[in-house]
Amino acid sequence: SQQGEEDPQALSIQEGENATMNCSYKTSINNLQWYRQNSGRGLVHLILIRSNEREKHSGRLRVTLDTSKKSSSLLITASRAADTASYFCATDSLKLSFGAGTTVTVRA
Amino acid sequence: DTAVSQTPKYLVTQMGNDKSIKCEQNLGHDTMYWYKQDSKKFLKIMFSYNNKELIINETVPNRFSPKSPDKAHLNLHINSLELGDSAVYFCASTPGSPVANEKLFFGSGTQLSVL
Repeated sequence: SQQGEEDPQALSIQEGENATMNCSYKTSINNLQWYRQNSGRGLVHLILIRSNEREKHSGRLRVTLDTSKKSSSLLITASRAADTASYFCATDSLKLSFGAGTTVTVRA
Repeated sequence: DTAVSQTPKYLVTQMGNDKSIKCEQNLGHDTMYWYKQDSKKFLKIMFSYNNKELIINETVPNRFSPKSPDKAHLNLHINSLELGDSAVYFCASTPGSPVANEKLFFGSGTQLSVL
């Protein structure tokens, strides 16, 4: 099954800074999704971007998609302590699977 | 009003035992899933049911047997537990069929520790 691979594995930033993480995948897609997982909780859907879209915004989140490079990025602007979590991307397939995520720590 | 709820949240048991994890969704979704998250946080699909019918069955030992009594419930029974089964198991659901590639709604997980 296809899965996204997130990069970097871990990211530590100061509150107020921006956090950027990337996702790469291998085959063509119809859409790509980003999820957040807080410690000890299930994944929560953040945003879905379709293959014909290049950029999408949701609040402080900005997602880009470059299908020619088979990659996506998630930008969190003006980070807050509550953004501390692991972030996962997943690409569409019958068997939606995830990578190991990017663990983001926002320091107060 | 938890949308996808699974029980128990923690499960500690001895090797060789048989245990079950239950999942219920009150969203009216047609498809439910079981995922396994290992210690390195990789999250892999195990099973998917659509309207009580098995749709996806990944390469999972047959000690794992899902059961869906109705489309709102998907339980996971594990026989002869092994150390390697220790992980966090997540239930999830989507409104339509798996091919619709809709967003997943996850439960809060069951942390299984096999001693």
